[in-house]
Amino acid sequence: IQLTQSPSSLSASVGDRVTITCRASQDISSYLAWYQQKPGKAPNLLIYAASTLQSGVPSRFSGSGSGTDFTLTISSLQPEDFATYYCQQLNTYPFTFGPGTKVDIK
Amino acid sequence: EVQLVESGGGLVQPGGSLRLSCAASGFTFSSYAMTWVRQAPGKGLEWVSAISGGAASTYYTDSVKGRFTISRDNSKYTLYLQMNSLRAEDTAVYYCARDQKGLHPVNPFDIWGQGTMVTVSS
Repeated sequence: IQLTQSPSSLSASVGDRVTITCRASQDISSYLAWYQQKPGKAPNLLIYAASTLQSGVPSRFSGSGSGTDFTLTISSLQPEDFATYYCQQLNTYPFTFGPGTKVDIK
Repeated sequence: EVQLVESGGGLVQPGGSLRLSCAASGFTFSSYAMTWVRQAPGKGLEWVSAISGGAASTYYTDSVKGRFTISRDNSKYTLYLQMNSLRAEDTAVYYCARDQKGLHPVNPFDIWGQGTMVTVSS
């Protein structure tokens, strides 16, 4: 299963609402997760089952979608949110990741 | 504290072998499936292999099938990745990660190690 993400990068300001899209090449139901990765660090799980917030993750992060189209939304971008975001499908092995969306400071 | 610590990375020639280890602590290791994920320099994440909590089931991405072997020793709280016939395209940081919920590797990864670098070059 192939995943595409758009945009591949974006520039935004603190306080902005940011939306990232992930599209699967076939129906994956709600078997989608989102991760945040900062340079030189391991990824951090944000959202699983397409829309469930992982424990400890700020509520400004939210996920939606099912089937083939999914979104990650950051309602009000904070300085610590500048990072790269990856989606991952967990419907079929291998559990592929999307190519990533880099969010940097405008 | 729940923790994963990888080791065993390094420089190896094409065609060579390397064994990575991932030492777990702070949780009941045998109750969780485990996974290896890699990231080539400047690139995205790639799922490599997974193993169930009891080691009965293993899974691999196509590019490493027949070359890599995932295993675990639950008595030692350690996950392994034996990598043979290494290629330049295997150069990456290798992360071990814990399944979020339990025995079967069907969930996302809630705990990650810091990664260990593998460089395949002559």
